[in-house]
Amino acid sequence: GAGVSQSPSNKVTEKGKDVELRCDPISGHTALYWYRQSLGQGLEFLIYFQGNSAPDKSGLPSDRFSAERTGGSVSTLTIQRTQQEDSAVYLCASSLLDPRLTDTQYFGPGTRLTVL
Amino acid sequence: DQQVKQNSPSLSVQEGRISILNCDYTNSMFDYFLWYKKYPAEGPTFLISISSIKDKNEDGRFTVFLNKSAKHLSLHIVPSQPGDSAVYFCAASARETSGSRLTFGEGTQLTVNP
Repeated sequence: GAGVSQSPSNKVTEKGKDVELRCDPISGHTALYWYRQSLGQGLEFLIYFQGNSAPDKSGLPSDRFSAERTGGSVSTLTIQRTQQEDSAVYLCASSLLDPRLTDTQYFGPGTRLTVL
Repeated sequence: DQQVKQNSPSLSVQEGRISILNCDYTNSMFDYFLWYKKYPAEGPTFLISISSIKDKNEDGRFTVFLNKSAKHLSLHIVPSQPGDSAVYFCAASARETSGSRLTFGEGTQLTVNP
């Protein structure tokens, strides 16, 4: 079946510009997560959406970062006034969050963001 | 504060031998642990998980061991195959307190030589 998809796969932007990254989760998955992986680092949690609950934004590094999830499906991560330290691979994951099952997160291929 | 640590950035083994990847954690609230494999230019792929109520979980060539008293888990791959060459990430969640957000280690590059 279709997995998590992300677009674009690569994005090069100039410092100070805004960017939008998109994530299409696995159909039926109620939870959606954003992580990022900077060069030589592990994955860093950014934000988490669960059903209709308020998102857990505790991982967002600054107020330049925001995300929304419309209709409980597609999510957009927006970075305003990008800085060079925002350069990273941004990964989206989704999970079923059924308490009877393991809530394994399935990842998309990521968006590689380069801020010049 | 690195709550999940993979102290070995790389590991090289011969095909057919056992690969052992290690992971240590500091947060005693972690109750669910996962291993992911990542190839270049791809997202992480789920391999195997273990709940804190168990000390071992096995799936084919992959076995995860959890030692809660030592706050240590390991992934055993036997026999290792060249296709196993990838970066392996250990991850943990504290579902009772932090929901399903995952905290990842830095990763270990496994190279299996033919």
